[in-house]
Amino acid sequence: DGGITQSPKYLFRKEGQNVTLSCEQNLNHDAMYWYRQDPGQGLRLIYYSQIVNDFQKGDIAEGYSVSREKKESFPLTVTSAQKNPTAFYLCASSILWGQGVFGTEAFFGQGTRLTVV
Amino acid sequence: GENVEQHPSTLSVQEGDSAVIKCTYSDSASNYFPWYKQELGKRPQLIIDIRSNVGEKKDQRIAVTLNKTAKHFSLHITETQPEDSAVYFCAAKWTAGTSYGKLTFGQGTILTVHP
Repeated sequence: DGGITQSPKYLFRKEGQNVTLSCEQNLNHDAMYWYRQDPGQGLRLIYYSQIVNDFQKGDIAEGYSVSREKKESFPLTVTSAQKNPTAFYLCASSILWGQGVFGTEAFFGQGTRLTVV
Repeated sequence: GENVEQHPSTLSVQEGDSAVIKCTYSDSASNYFPWYKQELGKRPQLIIDIRSNVGEKKDQRIAVTLNKTAKHFSLHITETQPEDSAVYFCAAKWTAGTSYGKLTFGQGTILTVHP
């Protein structure tokens, strides 16, 4: 069963703790992305990676960290430095480029809802 | 920097009417423009996309137009149905510079189709 899987679906964190969200894909995609979704603010890019062992900061990277040690996996750590971590987190993956230099469809995981308690 | 602006934030139409959502992007170094639909509690899913080498693409009741000179693209839904009610996102993928490969989304449009 091919796809992109995020776990867990719901996650609760105490203030001051780091927590890691999992994202795994078996689509053989090179590119992977992490987005944060808050009501009324759309999908904001946290980090993205186009190849193993390389990643770039998105628009709201502060308080987050990632790693890309394997093509299939792109875990996101929400650190204690993130002041307002309660949100819905979405991971996505895509072929890096399709049809020459053009982009191609990004597939999303089902998301992880993180709540700070 | 790379930015995608989407309007309107909410759109309410009667069943059978057309709906239009517009997006602008900040940098000409972008050549791929997808549109996603997100139903309540679900993941976003691609409904249509367009590449910068074409100006228009149509798929049944859905069409997308691209104006590269003006840096804007639009989603058109005709003969709307209640099941079209959802949040719609536009996006742009950057293909040059320090943001090579970056996929940026608009703020989303909540579309409500009244029966």
